Amino acid sequence: EDQVTQSPEALRLQEGESSSLNCSYTVSGLRGLFWYRQDPGKGPEFLFTLYSAGEEKEKERLKATLTKKESFLHITAPKPEDSATYLCAGNFGNEKLTFGTGTRLTIIP
Amino acid sequence: DAGVTQSPTHLIKTRGQQVTLRCSPKSGHDTVSWYQQALGQGPQFIFQYYEEEERQRGNFPDRFSGHQFPNYSSELNVNALLLGDSALYLCASSLTLEPFYEQYFGPGTRLTVT
Repeated sequence: EDQVTQSPEALRLQEGESSSLNCSYTVSGLRGLFWYRQDPGKGPEFLFTLYSAGEEKEKERLKATLTKKESFLHITAPKPEDSATYLCAGNFGNEKLTFGTGTRLTIIP
Repeated sequence: DAGVTQSPTHLIKTRGQQVTLRCSPKSGHDTVSWYQQALGQGPQFIFQYYEEEERQRGNFPDRFSGHQFPNYSSELNVNALLLGDSALYLCASSLTLEPFYEQYFGPGTRLTVT
């Protein structure tokens, strides 16, 4: 069964303190790896798609990278408005996205 | 450019009742997927509609059914509601001809079953 696992479950950082979130996945058949941001009570907001190992994408203070068995979401000098749950999802060649349980990120001013 | 819209925003139902949730896809998209998200969990795939037909289904009982209309909008119906059906229901749209199914989500419908 296709699986996506995220760690840590929760992360508290001081404003400006950089860190990384991890997403590991079932290796066989990954067609695309997706990162979303979700604020409480709202729908996930699309951030990045990564297709192949070695690929990197950036958006403001966020950078997503992909290796053959995991993906990282690096957050550089975060601000309080970056506080949210970050979801990772994989597409394994079928029509659906398989999500992890998310990392709840809190940035303390 | 209109994003994915869902209605209603919130809904409270009683056990055993039936509910219908609605979704309009992002402009230019032709595929709609539905997900259920319990509190503290990631979204779980229910099913996907393309060309007015169910293309794939996740591990959900037949009480969950759907429909896609010629204008690509979609409905999710849940019969014989259980307390465990309380969740945030998310609709996501995508364009089938694009590779790897980038899906864009709506704001969700919060369903509470009492």
